Amino acid sequence: EAAVTQSPRNKVTVTGGNVTLSCRQTNSHNYMYWYRQDTGHGLRLIHYSYGAGNLQIGDVPDGYKATRTTQEDFFLLLELASPSQTSLYFCASGRTGEGYTEVFFGKGTRLTVV
Amino acid sequence: GQGVEQPAKLMSVEGTFARVNCTYSTSGFNGLSWYQQREGQAPVFLSYVVLDGLKDSGHFSTFLSRSNGYSYLLLTELQIKDSASYLCAVRDSNYQLIWGSGTKLIIKP
Repeated sequence: EAAVTQSPRNKVTVTGGNVTLSCRQTNSHNYMYWYRQDTGHGLRLIHYSYGAGNLQIGDVPDGYKATRTTQEDFFLLLELASPSQTSLYFCASGRTGEGYTEVFFGKGTRLTVV
Repeated sequence: GQGVEQPAKLMSVEGTFARVNCTYSTSGFNGLSWYQQREGQAPVFLSYVVLDGLKDSGHFSTFLSRSNGYSYLLLTELQIKDSASYLCAVRDSNYQLIWGSGTKLIIKP
């Protein structure tokens, strides 16, 4: 079954710590995305990629790095985590058509930085 | 600047209908999509519109007016399980998705 799988589902880290969020898709989509979702802000795009080795900056990239190692795998790195990065993170893959981009989301990773 | 606006909350009654509004101001327009997000879950794609007018998809219908920068999602014969947040996303001239903050639909018996 086509899916987007994120790990871990929950993570607690300390301020200044390193965190890597992992994402794998089996949808064979070219596009993959990392979003964060916070109350009052909706979904905000951190980074995205349209293929292995490609990386594009989103709307809120500060403090985050990302790598797309394969068509399937997309990683989000927080090298010096801060409390402001406490959030719900979604990875997604996307396909485009005439008039739409359909985004398939993973179940999310809840990250807490204490 | 670019923006997609949605009311934060909407209340309705089981068996009736609810209209979730979305207004946008973006750099170009290449389609608008609606997603449903249940509490504690990921958003799920519902529908999209690219042409003006009403598009009937059964339980969900969507309307678009490009000249007014306005869309709505109409849910009919509401069931309690329709309680969720509904997100609007506009694809701009660069084919980037601009997301609204979502409308939380609360359905009372």
